[in-house]
Amino acid sequence: QQQVKQSPQSLIVQKGGISIINCAYENTAFDYFPWYQQFPGKGPALLIAIRPDVSEKKEGRFTISFNKSAKQFSLHIMDSQPGDSATYFCAASSGNTGKLIFGQGTTLQVKP
Amino acid sequence: GAGVSQSPRYKVAKRGQDVALRCDPISGHVSLFWYQQALGQGPEFLTYFQNEAQLDKSGLPSDRFFAERPEGSVSTLKIQRTQQEDSAVYLCASSLGAGTVTYEQYFGPGTRLTVT
Repeated sequence: QQQVKQSPQSLIVQKGGISIINCAYENTAFDYFPWYQQFPGKGPALLIAIRPDVSEKKEGRFTISFNKSAKQFSLHIMDSQPGDSATYFCAASSGNTGKLIFGQGTTLQVKP
Repeated sequence: GAGVSQSPRYKVAKRGQDVALRCDPISGHVSLFWYQQALGQGPEFLTYFQNEAQLDKSGLPSDRFFAERPEGSVSTLKIQRTQQEDSAVYLCASSLGAGTVTYEQYFGPGTRLTVT
């Protein structure tokens, strides 16, 4: 079944702390795993993405960790800032169309 | 450069009315996607175009939903005889490549449809 399960549903972190959001998938055909950030009233914005041939990818304060055998991947936000407060979605895709299957979303609140 | 734009940003329709939602993708992007996002949920795939060809419409919820991209650039999502369950944000995304060339999708701001 093409499903991506995301947790937690909501997360509160203090400024400067590490935010961690987890996703799990079932379909082993998935070969692209992006994370999107969405602010209220805006469309999702691509943050960072990974393919299954690497176990970790870092861009600035954002890191994706990928565990192919466990079929899990996670987003780590280092030194979290109040401006990071948003909803985060993991997603996965495969095949010739590249259509994205999204997780349910995590609402992150970073307290100053 | 200009991103993906969508119009209108907000649409209120009475139940039974037809609506048309427009998407202007990033210039030169081959692939175009439509997604539906219900309140508090992740986006769900509706349909996919590669240039003017609609290659995947497996996510369209009923035959009341129709999408087109006649010249391979601008796309329109049409919903006929709108129902209250159609109320959602409709997102358009475009991607430079097609198929396995690149997967990075860039989203527009969405159109919030409210059916009363």
